[in-house]
Amino acid sequence: RKEVEQDPGPFNVPEGATVAFNCTYSNSASQSFFWYRQDCRKEPKLLMSVYSSGNEDGRFTAQLNRASQYISLLIRDSKLSDSATYLCVVWGGTSYGKLTFGQGTILTVHP
Amino acid sequence: EAQVTQNPRYLITVTGKKLTVTCSQNMNHEYMSWYRQDPGLGLRQIYYSMNVEVTDKGDVPEGYKVSRKEKRNFPLILESPSPNQTSLYFCASSLSTAQPAYEQYFGPGTRLTVT
Repeated sequence: RKEVEQDPGPFNVPEGATVAFNCTYSNSASQSFFWYRQDCRKEPKLLMSVYSSGNEDGRFTAQLNRASQYISLLIRDSKLSDSATYLCVVWGGTSYGKLTFGQGTILTVHP
Repeated sequence: EAQVTQNPRYLITVTGKKLTVTCSQNMNHEYMSWYRQDPGLGLRQIYYSMNVEVTDKGDVPEGYKVSRKEKRNFPLILESPSPNQTSLYFCASSLSTAQPAYEQYFGPGTRLTVT
């Protein structure tokens, strides 16, 4: 089983749609969780950190469920500019400084 | 401007010819890391460094070496490159290794082709 697994995608949605991505992690000792965004083979950039209490940033909401070992990202009112690959990232677990990325989920928002 | 720089950005080389990809950050970050990105496999961590003179293996360290002699630099060395090391490489840094983990800042990437 992979340490971090994401929805395979790709997701193709119309503008204005709500879309949700899930990500599961295998190591219960994992300590921090993030969603990164990557545009077409450019460098990944932090979208948001994920906390147990859930956090929201504008149209984006992230949730962490430690009991079930998954994190989620919800995007409301999708924009064309949201088209990108979304990467689930887990810090810690087997080694303190280790960072593990999911394979990424491709989102395409069309007019 | 706060940034992570990598050089070269593009490199085509031949099997067995030693090469070094440099990575430098100007943010006084403690943590630095190297990743490779391959289609269908996502980003995989090669090596990371928690601070000067402290390095650890990530998921795919075979065929790579690193060193952290000073805080700002974290070069990636391929002693004898092979075609299966053809990939897109990213260097990244973050402020601290304290918890919760800090944001990773990525360099622009180095596209390496080994023939």
